[in-house]
Amino acid sequence: GAVVSQHPSRVICKSGTSVKIECRSLDFQATTMFWYRQFPKQSLMLMATSNEGSKATYEQGVEKDKFLINHASLTLSTLTVTSAHPEDSSFYICSALRLAGVSEQYFGPGTRLTVT
Amino acid sequence: DQQVKQNSPSLSVQEGRISILNCDYTNSMFDYFLWYKKYPAEGPTFLISISSIKDKNEDGRFTVFLNKSAKHLSLHIVPSQPGDSAVYFCAASARYGGATNKLIFGTGTLLAVQP
Repeated sequence: GAVVSQHPSRVICKSGTSVKIECRSLDFQATTMFWYRQFPKQSLMLMATSNEGSKATYEQGVEKDKFLINHASLTLSTLTVTSAHPEDSSFYICSALRLAGVSEQYFGPGTRLTVT
Repeated sequence: DQQVKQNSPSLSVQEGRISILNCDYTNSMFDYFLWYKKYPAEGPTFLISISSIKDKNEDGRFTVFLNKSAKHLSLHIVPSQPGDSAVYFCAASARYGGATNKLIFGTGTLLAVQP
């Protein structure tokens, strides 16, 4: 099956600093990647759709200046949480679209961000 | 506004019996539905899907039923196995007339299969 990796798997940072999370499709090219956020015991909330070579599309309520997304290649998308605050602490998951089908969306293992 | 809802946060079932997980949605534009399985600290894994033109899709022990008039779908697992213990998310997508490939997830149901 298709493999998507995320790095780091967990990160602890201080308030005010920025954190970058990488999402890589290891064995396929992904023109589209998605970034989700999951709060404890809650649903996965779509934050943004990342398209290779173009600007990301953010969901309503997601601050694009705070959550910077870069999809510079067909196998890599990055999410940078800028000026992190404790309320940004969450589980961030990316997915990569292998083919033009909804079921072909493969998820990474997630990144646990803790802001102190 | 939660467009996809899983009203049971948890479910406990005996090994060998049937597990039934339920999901309701509100957006009539949704035309494709998926079930994902998720272990703690891991990403979701795709299980099974169904298009709105069907009312049933079966894959081994997993069957998904769709009732469009009730805006309800369910996942049946039979027979249930201890390895099925995980959080199950239903997700919906509006492939036509809207943003394709976007998934809207429910809140998840924690399934515990007792040996």
